[in-house]
Amino acid sequence: RKEVEQDPGPFNVPEGATVAFNCTYSNSASQSFFWYRQDCRKEPKLLMSVYSSGNEDGRFTAQLNRASQYISLLIRDSKLSDSATYLCVVNRYSSASKIIFGSGTRLSIRP
Amino acid sequence: EPEVTQTPSHQVTQMGQEVILRCVPISNHLYFYWYRQILGQKVEFLVSFYNNEISEKSEIFDDQFSVERPDGSNFTLKIRSTKLEDSAMYFCAAGDMYEQYFGPGTRLTVT
Repeated sequence: RKEVEQDPGPFNVPEGATVAFNCTYSNSASQSFFWYRQDCRKEPKLLMSVYSSGNEDGRFTAQLNRASQYISLLIRDSKLSDSATYLCVVNRYSSASKIIFGSGTRLSIRP
Repeated sequence: EPEVTQTPSHQVTQMGQEVILRCVPISNHLYFYWYRQILGQKVEFLVSFYNNEISEKSEIFDDQFSVERPDGSNFTLKIRSTKLEDSAMYFCAAGDMYEQYFGPGTRLTVT
């Protein structure tokens, strides 16, 4: 089983739609969680951290369920500029910091 | 958002040659990272660096790879004897244990 799994997509949705991404992780020792976005041939950019209490940033809402080892990202009122690949990232702290990226979910917003 | 710069943006080298990829994190971050992304594949963790030493490395980071931060600003990744399969985008990131900011990457092509 992959350490971080995401639905690869692509998700093709109309502008204004709400879209949800899911991610599961296998290592219960994982301690911090993030969503990044990556545009084609560009670097990953941090979108938001994910907390157990859930967090919201404008149109974006992230949730973490530690019991189910599941992370989600919800995008409301999607814009054309939201088209990108969304990467689920899991960090296992130790004295070292091992960061595992999911393969990403591709999102395409159509006018 | 802190800016991380990388040079060169594109490096072409012949198999068996040594390459050095450079990164300059513009911030007071303490953790530094190298990742690679083979075209069409996911971002893979190579190594993390803290307090002037490697804190963790992946199985990809074998004896052909080394990192150093010789002058307190530049952070370099050296590949001693490049192989065809080293062709990828190499991203440097800087941050703390919680969040990381990526540079724009160096595209390495090994011929």
